[in-house]
Order: sequence, then C-alpha cells, then structure tokens
Amino acid sequence: RKEVEQDPGPFNVPEGATVAFNCTYSNSASQSFFWYRQDCRKEPKLLMSVYSSGNEDGRFTAQLNRASQYISLLIRDSKLSDSATYLCVVTSGNTPLVFGKGTRLSVIA
Amino acid sequence: DTGVSQDPRHKITKRGQNVTFRCDPISEHNRLYWYRQTLGQGPEFLTYFQNEAQLEKSRLLSDRFSAERPKGSFSTLEIQRTEQGDSAMYLCASSLGPEGYRPYFGPGTRLTVT
Repeated sequence: RKEVEQDPGPFNVPEGATVAFNCTYSNSASQSFFWYRQDCRKEPKLLMSVYSSGNEDGRFTAQLNRASQYISLLIRDSKLSDSATYLCVVTSGNTPLVFGKGTRLSVIA
Repeated sequence: DTGVSQDPRHKITKRGQNVTFRCDPISEHNRLYWYRQTLGQGPEFLTYFQNEAQLEKSRLLSDRFSAERPKGSFSTLEIQRTEQGDSAMYLCASSLGPEGYRPYFGPGTRLTVT
C-alpha cells in the first residue's frame, strides 16, 4: 500500500460547482498534513495546512479524520483559475514530506 | 524576491555527463529538501538537511547522486554519469523545522538527458 493515496482524476466540473478530493495515508504516526496546488510545469505551492478541527480559507475547506486516516479538500463555487493538480502531503515530526500523486481538476466554463 | 531559488532552471545534457544544481533556501529556514518529479507523478523525496547535516537519504538516491549543504545555507545536488532515466524536474524546498512545517518550493530545475 502506498503511503499517501489520491484519486488521480481528472475531475471535470463546471464553473460554480462544488468538488471534493480525498486522500488516505498509511502511517498512523503522521502529524502534519497539507494540501498543495501545482500548475502545469510549475512548482507545488502551499494551499493550506490541515488541522484536526478542520479549517477553512475562503472557498476551500480542509478536513482531517485521524481515525480513518484520511484528509479531504472541498472547493466551493469553482473558478476557472482553480484548474490545477492538488497534492496531498503528509509528514510525521522528523520525517520528510510524503506526497500523493495528485488529483487533477479541470473547471470548465 | 525572498523565496527559494534554484539554478539553473533548465539543463540539457548528454548521457554520461555530470551535472550540478544549486538551491538557495529562504534565509531563516534550517531545513532543506530535494525532491524529484516526473510527469504525472507527485514529487518523490531524495534527501534532506537540517542545517548542514544530511539527515536522511532515499533509496532513490543512488551512488551517482550526492548532495551537500556545506554551510547550512545553499545546497548542491550533483548527478554523475547521467542516464536518460534521470530526466525529471528536481525540486528544492525549505522550511523552519521541525516546528515550522510549512515547506516552500523553489521553481525547480528541469533536467533532460539525451
């Protein structure tokens, strides 16, 4: 089983739609969780950290379920500019970041 | 610009040649990571440093690869006797760690081995 698994997509959604991505991780000792966004041929950019209580940043909501070892990202009111690959990232305190393969999102006009 | 910088941005080399990449992290960040990414895959961990100490190396880092961070600031990644399978984007990231886990990536160095 891979350490971090994501549905690769692509998710093709119309503008204004709500879309959710899930990510599962295998290391129960994992402590820190992030979502990164990566545009084509660019570097990953930090979108948001994921906290146990769940957190929201504008149209983006991240949730963590430690018991089931999964993380989710919800995007409301999708914009064309949200089209990108979304990478789930997991780490425990003294280990490097472990990335999923990413989920591709295409928002269509 | 006070972000992570990498040089060169693109490198084309012939099989068998040696190449060296440089990464300059955000100045106060003591952790520095190297990752490799191929098309359709997420970044794969290669190695990381805490200040000048290399703390971990992936099994992906064969003996042809070596990384240094001599003064705890910039880092270099060298690939000797390059192979076509080395063609990838090489990404560097830095963070305050272990307390400040918000790693930021540089723009990457795209290597093409012909």
